[in-house]
Amino acid sequence: QKEVEQNSGPLSVPEGAIASLNCTYSDRGSQSFFWYRQYSGKSPELIMFIYSNGDKEDGRFTAQLNKASQYVSLLIRDSQPSDSATYLCAVNKGPNDYKLSFGAGTTVTVRA
Amino acid sequence: NAGVMQNPRHLVRRRGQEARLRCSPMKGHSHVYWYRQLPEEGLKFMVYLQKENIIDESGMPKERFSAEFPKEGPSILRIQQVVRGDSAAYFCASSPPATRGGTEAFFGQGTRLTVV
Repeated sequence: QKEVEQNSGPLSVPEGAIASLNCTYSDRGSQSFFWYRQYSGKSPELIMFIYSNGDKEDGRFTAQLNKASQYVSLLIRDSQPSDSATYLCAVNKGPNDYKLSFGAGTTVTVRA
Repeated sequence: NAGVMQNPRHLVRRRGQEARLRCSPMKGHSHVYWYRQLPEEGLKFMVYLQKENIIDESGMPKERFSAEFPKEGPSILRIQQVVRGDSAAYFCASSPPATRGGTEAFFGQGTRLTVV
């Protein structure tokens, strides 16, 4: 079982719609959860992090965490063509563990 | 304030040669991480270093790969006797001290290694 699993996509949404990305993780002791955006040929860029169960909103992005279900999601509201990228879910196991475990990523295409 | 600087951006090596990848962390950052991204795969952790110390190298292959972060100068990821399977994008990230992993880790633009 992979540590972090994401739907590979591609996920195609029309401009203005909500894009919903899902991520599950295997280590129940994981404590920190991150979403990175990576444009083709570019470096990963941190867009959201969440530590506590529930929702966290930042602009058009909302991260949702459910530790009981070992599930974290990212919603992108009012999707724009510039949101077309690969979104990477990453998990950190605890305050003494600095490394991130990444999912393979979900590719999102926003249709104009 | 310059970001994480990696060089070279692209590196081509013949099988059996050595590859040296450099990473200069952001100013004020003392933690450096190396990740490898194979085509169509997510990033895989390789090694975590602080100045003059390897903290966690659990993701490093046992042979041919080594990393250092000297007191002066950039962090170096060295791959000896490269093989075609080493072809990948290698990303360096840095963070300030006392940071929860990933919270303030910034990635460089990566070095794309091609072994021919």
